[in-house]
Amino acid sequence: DIQMTQSPSTLSASVGDRVTITCRASQSVSSWLAWYQQRPGRAPNLLIYKASSLETGVPSRFSGSASGTEFTLTISSLQPDDFATYYCQQYNSYPYTFGQGTKLDLK
Amino acid sequence: EVQLVESGGGLVKPGGSLRLSCAVSGFTFINYNMNWVRQAPGKGLEWVSAISTGGGDRYYAESVKGRFIISRDNVKNSLYLQMNSLRVEDTAVYYCARGGGDPAPEEDFDYWGQGTLVTVSS
Repeated sequence: DIQMTQSPSTLSASVGDRVTITCRASQSVSSWLAWYQQRPGRAPNLLIYKASSLETGVPSRFSGSASGTEFTLTISSLQPDDFATYYCQQYNSYPYTFGQGTKLDLK
Repeated sequence: EVQLVESGGGLVKPGGSLRLSCAVSGFTFINYNMNWVRQAPGKGLEWVSAISTGGGDRYYAESVKGRFIISRDNVKNSLYLQMNSLRVEDTAVYYCARGGGDPAPEEDFDYWGQGTLVTVSS
């Protein structure tokens, strides 16, 4: 199985900050990597697919990039709505696997 | 508007069974692969199972293989998860999620239901 390792587990930041979350795959997943945002008590919401493609309706302050087996999610200027938990997911091969999550909270 | 609505969750004793359903509307169900994802209380997301458009290909996480069965009814636009031999560690919110298909071939999960809670406890 492909292991997805996210870092950090928790990130404290302020409104307006630029933040980056990293996800590393244990083997190649090509570009088959998605990022999701989940607010408490809600279903996850797709932000980025195919490593760097922005899902329709997602604000442009969210972006994704890839270098080999390392993937990053960047939020360019944090807004109050962005304080949530973020997950990466590989869908290159079954079993599809998620990272353990990064909780973004207010500093 | 795309909607996925799960039902069938509840309290069940260890060793018991439960059948979850996911009713879908707003897109051509038969054109898409479908998935179940779960989230234990206070924990992260865990992919559980997937089924292809026609139902011929099914995939499972190792943790549920041999106990859970995924199925779909393309006439009723519904996805199912039959859960047998339930364990305490199966306690979670279960989400159905749309995978890849036509005209959106990417296998990311672009639509999710609101989830249904399964509690396994004596």
